[in-house]
Amino acid sequence: EIVLTQSPGTLSLSPGERATLSCRASQSFSSAYLAWYQQKPGRAPKLLIYGASFRATGIPDRFSGSGSGTDFTLTISRLEPEDFAVYYCQQYNTSPPRYTFGQGTKLEIK
Amino acid sequence: EVQLVESGGALVKPGGSLRLSCAASGFTFSNVWMSWVRQAPGKGLEWVGRVKSKIDGGTTDYAAPVKGRFSVSRDDSKNMMYLQMNSLKTEDTAVYYCTGTVGGRHFEYWGQGSLVTVSS
Repeated sequence: EIVLTQSPGTLSLSPGERATLSCRASQSFSSAYLAWYQQKPGRAPKLLIYGASFRATGIPDRFSGSGSGTDFTLTISRLEPEDFAVYYCQQYNTSPPRYTFGQGTKLEIK
Repeated sequence: EVQLVESGGALVKPGGSLRLSCAASGFTFSNVWMSWVRQAPGKGLEWVGRVKSKIDGGTTDYAAPVKGRFSVSRDDSKNMMYLQMNSLKTEDTAVYYCTGTVGGRHFEYWGQGSLVTVSS
């Protein structure tokens, strides 16, 4: 079973700064199966990035994803006030079928 | 507009049963693989189980902690998905989200969640 480890656990930044969030897997897999989500308090998660680097519909271009193999990154180029939230990475395994989430990174206002 | 609306969440005693429902609208439900994802209070996200579209076989898959106790089903004539939960444990306490996945790999659509509390 693939384990996803996100770092840092908490990231404290100011609006306008650049955020870099990491998701590391315990074994290599296809980047087609890596997604990122944003969750605000009391709300359902929202898909941001799929296939490691493709923005979901309506997601601003300040959000970008990259990586391959075991190391993946979500970058927010210039933080807006509404970007402070918890971010999760997620991996899909085809055999056996399983979806795994990282433990999350909390992005908070400094 | 895509909408997923969960219902059925409640307080239930350990060992009890509960059925959650998810009503879908705004997309071609029959073409979409549907999943349940849960989130325990103050914790992260955990996939629970899914049902594929009928055209892809309509089969179900489950996470290890719920296999044998939970069952996912769908009724394409009503645009509904269900989660039957039996032999509930305190650790099943969570908000349960209904999700839709077009390509099977990630979760495009999310409901607002339904709270299930398992406590004596």
